[in-house]
This record gives sequence, structure tokens and C-alpha cells, in this order.
Amino acid sequence: AQSVTQPDIHITVSEGASLELRCNYSYGATPYLFWYVQSPGQGLQLLLKYFSGDTLVQGIKGFEAEFKRSQSSFNLRKPSVHWSDAAEYFCAVKAGGFKTIFGAGTRLFVKA
Amino acid sequence: ETGVTQSPTHLIKTRGQQVTLRCSSQSGHNTVSWYQQALGQGPQFIFQYYREEENGRGNFPPRFSGLQFPNYSSELNVNALELDDSALYLCASSLQTGGWEQYFGPGTRLTVT
Repeated sequence: AQSVTQPDIHITVSEGASLELRCNYSYGATPYLFWYVQSPGQGLQLLLKYFSGDTLVQGIKGFEAEFKRSQSSFNLRKPSVHWSDAAEYFCAVKAGGFKTIFGAGTRLFVKA
Repeated sequence: ETGVTQSPTHLIKTRGQQVTLRCSSQSGHNTVSWYQQALGQGPQFIFQYYREEENGRGNFPPRFSGLQFPNYSSELNVNALELDDSALYLCASSLQTGGWEQYFGPGTRLTVT
């Protein structure tokens, strides 16, 4: 069965420091992979997506993610975190024609 | 171009009651999916509608049902509400059933007491 694992429930980083959020997936074929961000009480905003091609994808707000097939991973990175990046981040995989499976999320705290 | 909208924003219901949540898709999108997001969890897929037909369903009981209208707006109906149905319900629209990108609405927060 398809699944998405985000090993870190929460992460705290200092403003200006680099960030990496981990994501591992389980899926038989080449998946479509996504990262979403959710601010408190809000819906989900798409940060970036991977379908095929270059395994390093760029997204909005200065985020990037790298697809590593051998590790079944799709980690999200940002070189310098801003206080406004504090939010919940979800990794997701599109499995089949209609179903998107989300991880449990990682809450990011940013300290001054 | 308007985004995905949902109504109401918040809702409080009593166990055993029925509720209807509404979603308006982004302009031009013919596919809508509904998700349940319990507190502290990721969204869980409920079902998807494409051209007014349900074409995919997650692991939710039949008391969760839906409709999609000719203008591609959608409703989620939940009968016999249970306390565990308390969650944020998210609607997402996409250009087609196999569409890769989904655009999410802000959600409806349902509280069952």
C-alpha cells in the first residue's frame, strides 16, 4: 500500500538558518510528489511538485526539494528560514488516478 | 480567476445530526476531491467527483456522501454524525480527474458535540 512518512513531528530552527524536512514514501511506480504548506486555520498551499525529469525541483518562497529514487525520499530544503515560514508542512504522493496520500505533517517553529 | 471557496467556515453540530458542506471549484476545474483533516493529522482522502459522478473513494463509511453539480460545485454530506467526525474538511479542485495539481479551499471546521 502507498504511504508517506514524515519522521519529524516538529522542528525548531533559528531564523536565517537552513532547513531540511524529511519525507519518505512507499509506492511501486514512479510517484507524483508534492509538498504543501498550511498556516494555522488555513487550507493547503502547494510549494512544489515532482513528476519527472530533473530530480531537484524549485518551488515558491525559496523552497526546493530533491527526489531520490534509491532512498524513496523527497526532502524539502530552504537555505535561509524566515519567521513567516513557521507553519505545518505536508509531503504527499499521488497514487493512481485520483487519490493523494498525505504524510502526518511536520510543524516548523522558527525562533528569533 | 476565483479560487476554491468553501462554506460555512465553522459549524457546530450535535452527535446524530446531519451536515452539508459546500465547495465551489476553481474556474474551469471539473474535478473535486474532499479530504478530512483531524487535529494534528494530515488530510485523509474521502472521495472524488468528476463530471457529477463519484470516481474514487477512500476508507470512509457510506454515511459520507457527496454531490457534484453541473457547474462543478460540490457538496459533502455526513449523516449520523459522530464525535470523531470533528475535523477540518477540505475541498480541492483540479482540471481533470488525473490532474496532477489540486487547488485547496480554506476548509470548513466541523465540531461535533
